[in-house]
Amino acid sequence: QKEVEQNSGPLSVPEGAIASLNCTYSDRGSQSFFWYRQYSGKSPELIMFIYSNGDKEDGRFTAQLNKASQYVSLLIRDSQPSDSATYLCAVNGQAGTALIFGKGTTLSVSS
Amino acid sequence: EPEVTQTPSHQVTQMGQEVILRCVPISNHLYFYWYRQILGQKVEFLVSFYNNEISEKSEIFDDQFSVERPDGSNFTLKIRSTKLEDSAMYFCASSEEPAGYNEQFFGPGTRLTVL
Repeated sequence: QKEVEQNSGPLSVPEGAIASLNCTYSDRGSQSFFWYRQYSGKSPELIMFIYSNGDKEDGRFTAQLNKASQYVSLLIRDSQPSDSATYLCAVNGQAGTALIFGKGTTLSVSS
Repeated sequence: EPEVTQTPSHQVTQMGQEVILRCVPISNHLYFYWYRQILGQKVEFLVSFYNNEISEKSEIFDDQFSVERPDGSNFTLKIRSTKLEDSAMYFCASSEEPAGYNEQFFGPGTRLTVL
């Protein structure tokens, strides 16, 4: 049974700071890793995906993957109040179709 | 920008009744999925569907659940005899490639309330 673990938070950062969100996964065979953002009462919205070890940057967001440590992180630079949401980490399932989600980390950015 | 749509946005039903949740995936996507999220809990995979067949399903997706692509645009989830514990937000998603290799796009969800 694949598991994805995230600290539920809340993680509180001031506006303009870097927010660091972390995720660990249990299945060493996982290949693909996704970060979604979910506002309260809304559906998950894809922020980034990463397949290879190392960093992947997209605007203010950087995903970092360390397969040896089974660890994925998301850095949000210059955090804005509009970034306040729950951030969901997800990994692909065994057959490659399902996404297995963590419980999410709630981020609060104060102005 | 293309998006996944779902109807209805909110469905209220009595325990034991059948419900059908509807989704229109993004038009050029070939893979379709249903997830659910019980209030305050994590998003859980139910089923994936490709080429008119179920590709993968979770333990949650038992005989009470079924999926269908009745025409070229709609993708439905049927719950035959609803239980109180089926109350949740149900999300449809679609992707061009299998989820592991391409991003899934989620619809806005249908909130199902079973009384």
